[in-house]
Amino acid sequence: QKEVEQDPGPLSVPEGAIVSLNCTYSNSAFQYFMWYRQYSRKGPELLMYTYSSGNKEDGRFTAQVDKSSKYISLFIRDSQPSDSATYLCAMSGDDKIIFGKGTRLHILP
Amino acid sequence: EAGVTQFPSHSVIEKGQTVTLRCDPISGHDNLYWYRRVMGKEIKFLLHFVKESKQDESGMPNNRFLAERTGGTYSTLKVQPAELEDSGVYFCASSQGKPEIPTGELFFGEGSRLTVL
Repeated sequence: QKEVEQDPGPLSVPEGAIVSLNCTYSNSAFQYFMWYRQYSRKGPELLMYTYSSGNKEDGRFTAQVDKSSKYISLFIRDSQPSDSATYLCAMSGDDKIIFGKGTRLHILP
Repeated sequence: EAGVTQFPSHSVIEKGQTVTLRCDPISGHDNLYWYRRVMGKEIKFLLHFVKESKQDESGMPNNRFLAERTGGTYSTLKVQPAELEDSGVYFCASSQGKPEIPTGELFFGEGSRLTVL
């Protein structure tokens, strides 16, 4: 079983829709949970960061962590074409960061 | 402020040849990481420098890969001799502190795409 599982997509949704992206993981030692966004031919950039369980909101983006289920989510409200990118979940304990495969998201105008 | 820069952006070489990738981290960032993404797979950790010292090189695939960070500034990753399975995108990232904690965001370069024929 991989440490981090993420559906690669692609996921296509119409502009203005709510997008839900998620990852599952197996290592209960993970405490730091991140979402990176990667545009084509660019490097990943940190979008959201959460420590332990709970929710975190930043504008149109909400990150959720459920450690009991080993499940993390990223919600994008009022999605825009500029949100089209690959979204990678990432997590770590006190060691190296482990990445998911990334989900390719297309927001259709 | 300049971000993490990587060179070359794309390299095409034949099996058995040597390639050297370079990474210039953000000025002042002691932590430098190399990651690799093979097509269809997740981004995987290769190694971590703190200044000029190798903190963790557990992700290096084999001894054909050699990373250096002389003087604690830029870093190079040499693949010699290259094999077909080495093809992928090699990302460099830097951080001020540990990226696993709130103060240590990981900043990535745009990657060096390596194609081995």
